[in-house]
Amino acid sequence: SAVISQKPSRDICQRGTSLTIQCQVDSQVTMMFWYRQQPGQSLTLIATANQGSEATYESGFVIDKFPISRPNLTFSTLTVSNMSPEDSSIYLCSVGQTEAFFGQGTRLTVV
Amino acid sequence: GESVGLHLPTLSVQEGDNSIINCAYSNSASDYFIWYKQESGKGPQFIIDIRSNMDKRQGQRVTVLLNKTVKHLSLQIAATQPGDSAVYFCADKLWGGSYIPTFGRGTSLIVHP
Repeated sequence: SAVISQKPSRDICQRGTSLTIQCQVDSQVTMMFWYRQQPGQSLTLIATANQGSEATYESGFVIDKFPISRPNLTFSTLTVSNMSPEDSSIYLCSVGQTEAFFGQGTRLTVV
Repeated sequence: GESVGLHLPTLSVQEGDNSIINCAYSNSASDYFIWYKQESGKGPQFIIDIRSNMDKRQGQRVTVLLNKTVKHLSLQIAATQPGDSAVYFCADKLWGGSYIPTFGRGTSLIVHP
């Protein structure tokens, strides 16, 4: 199993600003995943973050909007840039490909 | 990836009843299926999984049934408790592959005391 700490747990942000979400894992992992969960919806994969290389983004998500850092095997950040109300969601980081482990999520509200 | 859908967005049950949450998947190549529970304000938590070489798998108070013929998955919760109130997601993927699980929409289970 893996223990994932994610922060902040929630934030209210002004439109046009950016928020960086941090994800810390208690063990070294090759791949970390970032998901978005819009209100009342399921999880949508934003990107896969590999240490030492650029993140791989899913269709509909771009690096300029969601830049990701992966400086080492236990840490990653996701930035939500130039936010609009449509970015209001829960953002989750995850590790594991067979059994996925999730952080508690960051509940973002953009006003 | 292909989508995984759930039949019912909300399920209300009385405490002590058995709950059945259904899921339909579309990728016939998927051979590994997982159920997650997400409580309010928390990330999804693994409940139980099943591989395609099985039709049924039991855990503590939970049972997962897999019908590959009709690509249907269900989660049965015995003697449902208020603490079972949460959103339940199914996910499917290829076992051992690098593919990321595809998550269904989710079913909100509400347990009334």
